Amino acid sequence: EVQLVESGGGLVQPGGSLRLSCSASGFTFSSFAMHWVRQAPGKGLEYVSAIGSNGGSTYYADSVKGRFTISRDNSKNTLYVQMSSLRAEDTAVYYCVKSSGHPYNLDYWGQGTLVTVSS
Amino acid sequence: DIQMTQSPSSLSASVGDRVTITCQASQDISKYLNWYQQKPGKAPKLLIYDASNLETGVPSRFSGSGSGTDFTFTISSLQPEDLATYYCQQYDNLPITFGQGTRLEIK
Repeated sequence: EVQLVESGGGLVQPGGSLRLSCSASGFTFSSFAMHWVRQAPGKGLEYVSAIGSNGGSTYYADSVKGRFTISRDNSKNTLYVQMSSLRAEDTAVYYCVKSSGHPYNLDYWGQGTLVTVSS
Repeated sequence: DIQMTQSPSSLSASVGDRVTITCQASQDISKYLNWYQQKPGKAPKLLIYDASNLETGVPSRFSGSGSGTDFTFTISSLQPEDLATYYCQQYDNLPITFGQGTRLEIK
């Protein structure tokens, strides 16, 4: 059974930093692209970032480019996103999402971790 | 970026009703469209992939159709547990984009 468990969320001040982690199990982690998607309270889904199966390629939405860094450790079956220069508008539940055979097709989602940016 | 226009934004229907949601892409995305169900406080769950393929374990009352720019999602006979918000999502190209969501209420 595919399991994705996010951690690292919490309350952070504007301008601060936070690193989210996603521990994966139930599939061959190193074979699949992975993604982060976020959802602000009461709002829709917003795509954040992607990383290729071997970590060699990355993609960022314009809203986070230059502030967020996605990475992965295939030896630990773990996905990360380092978030810096955080803004109030980054407040959201952050989901770790696995791709299917198509690298952009999102199939399994973690339960999410809440990041709140506030003073 | 590919824009996904989903409608309606909300709808209310009775148990047993047939429910239809539409999604239009701003450019041709071939078959690269998913439909998700998100229940309150939960993560999205994939229901339909490649526009019309039912994900394993998903009830057959859910279906999808379309290709190119116009897509449809249907619940053939609404059940109480279908209370949720439904999203379309294109994966033809990055950035992946989502429709605005359809909040489905049970009368």
